Amino acid sequence: EVQLVQSGAVVKKPGESLKISCKGLGYNFASRWIAWVRQKPGKGLEWMGIIYPVDSDAKYSPSFQGQVTMSVDKSIDTAYLRWRSLNASDTAMYFCARGGHTYGVWGQGTQVTVSS
Amino acid sequence: EIVMTQSPGTLSVSPGERATLSCRASQSVSDKLAWYQQRPGQAPRLLIYDASTRATGIPDRFSGSGSGTEFTLTISSLQSEDFAVYYCQQYKNWPPLTFGGGTKVEFK
Repeated sequence: EVQLVQSGAVVKKPGESLKISCKGLGYNFASRWIAWVRQKPGKGLEWMGIIYPVDSDAKYSPSFQGQVTMSVDKSIDTAYLRWRSLNASDTAMYFCARGGHTYGVWGQGTQVTVSS
Repeated sequence: EIVMTQSPGTLSVSPGERATLSCRASQSVSDKLAWYQQRPGQAPRLLIYDASTRATGIPDRFSGSGSGTEFTLTISSLQSEDFAVYYCQQYKNWPPLTFGGGTKVEFK
């Protein structure tokens, strides 16, 4: 079964750094783009960007460029989303999804809470 | 950036009724339009891509139509599991890919 399994919920303080993960199972991880999508509490979906595991080619939404960094480790079929310095407005559910422009497989989501 | 606008914000329907959801793009996206369903506490689920092609395993009560700037998702006979939020998404011009704000289909 094709799955994306994300890391667990985290609570962080403003200014702290964070890296969350998304592991691909049941398919050739390197062959498909991985996207990241943010959903703030009670709000809609926001596309953050995508990354291609073969060469780490990444495309960011202008809204998220410079705010987060996407990366991959092909050796363990895992994609990452990293923040250098969190703030309260980063509180949200973050989903990874498989695909270049339409997303048929999604992770279960990682809840990130930033609070002092 | 292409802005996607969905209407209505909330649609109240009874089980067995037909539901019609609309999505409008700020400029033409041709047929590069997808629809997703999101149930509470769950990840989104791809329903339709290329405006009218059902994704694998999606029941035929879901249908998509439209091209250019106007699109419609129709649920022919609502089942209890269809009460959810629905999002459209364009992939004609990106980055960024953009989603609509969603339509909540609720029990009447």
